[in-house]
Amino acid sequence: DTGVSQDPRHKITKRGQNVTFRCDPISEHNRLYWYRQTLGQGPEFLTYFQNEAQLEKSRLLSDRFSAERPKGSFSTLEIQRTEQGDSAMYLCASSLNGQVDYGYTFGSGTRLTVV
Amino acid sequence: GNSVTQMEGPVTLSEEAFLTINCTYTATGYPSLFWYVQYPGEGLQLLLKATKADDKGSNKGFEATYRKETTSFHLEKGSVQVSDSAVYFCALSEGNNNDMRFGAGTRLTVKP
Repeated sequence: DTGVSQDPRHKITKRGQNVTFRCDPISEHNRLYWYRQTLGQGPEFLTYFQNEAQLEKSRLLSDRFSAERPKGSFSTLEIQRTEQGDSAMYLCASSLNGQVDYGYTFGSGTRLTVV
Repeated sequence: GNSVTQMEGPVTLSEEAFLTINCTYTATGYPSLFWYVQYPGEGLQLLLKATKADDKGSNKGFEATYRKETTSFHLEKGSVQVSDSAVYFCALSEGNNNDMRFGAGTRLTVKP
């Protein structure tokens, strides 16, 4: 297992376009999390899945954002009608349910720039 | 709600200097506490953790002790190296590990 993979690493898009990011977690991890990180800030929680169920969504996740994990494996995060304020690093992480001692394993992130 | 406050950076030290990065937390219960490190161009990596009061987490020469009485989890290293230059994040997770909260991060630069 190569850890948590995110694709693409970088994405530049014009305002108003839709973008989709993919995350492949560690295979045995049943939990998957999406975070957003802006420059000079720590990661902010967006949403998380346990298997295929989306169990919690942050108020940061506006109606333009949607996340899926259809088979409980990889996940996608889609942003519709992108705005310049969406420019950030989008981080994916995974963990085993209840395994607090091990924290989360993060991917390298997808850097989104909206021009 | 739960939150983490860590000292603002940037912090610049000479090689072999002593490092302290302060972190305090607010939580309704008994969280687990973590330090993550982010090297340039990479994702966050777990550096160390402590799951209950008075626990000491340690890794790669870094240490942090879970202090319930002062709600703190300060990161220390006795002798930093240039390779320790990175951004350090304090974080907490409560309950069943379903929502980890991070501090704003502290950028450390170590000069030779």
